[in-house]
Amino acid sequence: EPEVTQTPSHQVTQMGQEVILRCVPISNHLYFYWYRQILGQKVEFLVSFYNNEISEKSEIFDDQFSVERPDGSNFTLKIRSTKLEDSAMYFCASSGTPPLNTGELFFGEGSRLTVL
Amino acid sequence: AQKVTQAQTEISVVEKEDVTLDCVYETRDTTYYLFWYKQPPSGELVFLIRRNSFDEQNEISGRYSWNFQKSTSSFNFTITASQVVDSAVYFCALSERVNNNDMRFGAGTRLTVKP
Repeated sequence: EPEVTQTPSHQVTQMGQEVILRCVPISNHLYFYWYRQILGQKVEFLVSFYNNEISEKSEIFDDQFSVERPDGSNFTLKIRSTKLEDSAMYFCASSGTPPLNTGELFFGEGSRLTVL
Repeated sequence: AQKVTQAQTEISVVEKEDVTLDCVYETRDTTYYLFWYKQPPSGELVFLIRRNSFDEQNEISGRYSWNFQKSTSSFNFTITASQVVDSAVYFCALSERVNNNDMRFGAGTRLTVKP
């Protein structure tokens, strides 16, 4: 069964460092997302991406964040200068488009980011 | 903007008990989509169900059932004869778009099923 894969599974970084989280969405999907979950809290929407551009972003997704689809398979989330409060589990997700779209967002297993 | 409320932060039951997880939502749209996801201790998000606003028919899938009530803006999830493996955090979510690129999650309910 096709799945969304994320790397790294866990990254520890120093405050102020740049971090890139990588995702390989399901191959025939066209919508891509990043969500984050601070430990023990709700899953929060960060950004959605379609047709090589951001289609929507939340207030969390400020100038420190960026997304990119550098090639036909990867979808990356970059945090330019990490802060302590960026420590969270980051989930990538992808979904298809009608009529293939069942409405399900397929989530990866997450990348845990720890900022020290 | 849409909003999802899961008032139950934690629920603990004994195996074989039935348990209902509540979800109340707010939206101004007449067309919307409701979801339930399961997050087991391993951390991944597992899709359980998607329901669109035009389909109020309740659904049953094995031990899982969902009760969608537009009149009360609720989309409750019941697990019958709970098992230890049902222990997880369960998230209700709402999207106002057919491509679901605006999905917003509730705070989640942590379910613990004790043997």
